[in-house]
Amino acid sequence: SQQGEEDPQALSIQEGENATMNCSYKTSINNLQWYRQNSGRGLVHLILIRSNEREKHSGRLRVTLDTSKKSSSLLITASRAADTASYFCATDAGGNNRLAFGKGNQVVVIP
Amino acid sequence: DVKVTQSSRYLVKRTGEKVFLECVQDMDHENMFWYRQDPGLGLRLIYFSYDVKMKEKGDIPEGYSVSREKKERFSLILESASTNQTSMYLCASHIWAGGYNEQFFGPGTRLTVL
Repeated sequence: SQQGEEDPQALSIQEGENATMNCSYKTSINNLQWYRQNSGRGLVHLILIRSNEREKHSGRLRVTLDTSKKSSSLLITASRAADTASYFCATDAGGNNRLAFGKGNQVVVIP
Repeated sequence: DVKVTQSSRYLVKRTGEKVFLECVQDMDHENMFWYRQDPGLGLRLIYFSYDVKMKEKGDIPEGYSVSREKKERFSLILESASTNQTSMYLCASHIWAGGYNEQFFGPGTRLTVL
């Protein structure tokens, strides 16, 4: 099955800095989504980018998609302590309602 | 807002016990999913259901079964719990609408099998 895979990094940054994380996948997709998970909680959908889109913004979030490289990046600008969480990418290859989630990327924003 | 609830946040069971994890969603979604989440492994799909009484195996169905008698409720059953089923269990639901298929997650159940 399709797998999204983030760079397996734990990112630690100061409040106000930007945080960037990456995701790669292996096969063609319909869309790619990013989710956030606060410690011990469920995942919350952040943003979806379709395969025919290259960049999308939502508030302080910016996601890019490069289908030729099968990769995506999520940028959080002007980070806040409340952005401390794990971030997952998930790919939809279409056809069966399933999403394939990556392993997650932990971000710690230091106040 | 979509609300997905799970019956317990924390659960401790003994090896060999039968365990029921319940998930309820209130938005009339057709599709529901059960995942388990383990450190370093991310989310892995156990089972999903796209309609009442319908179920499909995910990537790791062994040792689990599911039940969907009503549209809003999707239950995960561990027939005989084992210590390697200690994990965080996440339920999700979604509806296909206008090309968007984001999933809505419950808060998770952290199961410990002793």
